[in-house]
Amino acid sequence: AQTVTQSQPEMSVQEAETVTLSCTYDTSENNYYLFWYKQPPSRQMILVIRQEAYKQQNATENRFSVNFQKAAKSFSLKISDSQLGDTAMYFCAFMKRSGGGADGLTFGKGTHLIIQP
Amino acid sequence: GAVVSQHPSRVICKSGTSVKIECRSLDFQATTMFWYRQFPKKSLMLMATSNEGSKATYEQGVEKDKFLINHASLTLSTLTVTSAHPEDSSFYICSARDGAGGPDTQYFGPGTRLTVL
Repeated sequence: AQTVTQSQPEMSVQEAETVTLSCTYDTSENNYYLFWYKQPPSRQMILVIRQEAYKQQNATENRFSVNFQKAAKSFSLKISDSQLGDTAMYFCAFMKRSGGGADGLTFGKGTHLIIQP
Repeated sequence: GAVVSQHPSRVICKSGTSVKIECRSLDFQATTMFWYRQFPKKSLMLMATSNEGSKATYEQGVEKDKFLINHASLTLSTLTVTSAHPEDSSFYICSARDGAGGPDTQYFGPGTRLTVL
């Protein structure tokens, strides 16, 4: 079984600042995916970014980037030029990669990010 | 992007009754759908994996007779909470895997808030 740990229950930064959310995980698997999902007050889960474990290059999506350290089992999310709309719960998630099938996601407990005006 | 809908968005029922929640992939075929449960201010917990045309796979601790899952078509999965009790009150979220996009992305529905009186 795998576990995902997010050690920051809540973070608050000023608009336009850069913020980094931490995530560590534990697994014996070698092939897997890692994700960051955003859950705003509407509670709709929105995919922010994903990383394939076999890729060394860190994933980037506009203002969002990750620092993936496979040996350390660390997967942090950096949000640059933060905006008020970034205020939400952020969940780090793990998914085992299994042949042609699909596995469910294992989520961390989440980090509540608040962007202050 | 891929769109997943859930119906109803909110439901209130009396203890002992059964409630059905529908999850639909609107613009893609989903061979696999997942059902999660989220308690207030908590993370998402995987309940079961639903594969089209076959029996669902339940996570440890989830009662299959309590939470009936049917995946009758490539665009529809249903979760029926049978003989609901107040402790079943929760936020239920489904996700669907877009098979055409590979096994690594799940798209989430907007969730269903169930309140059992």
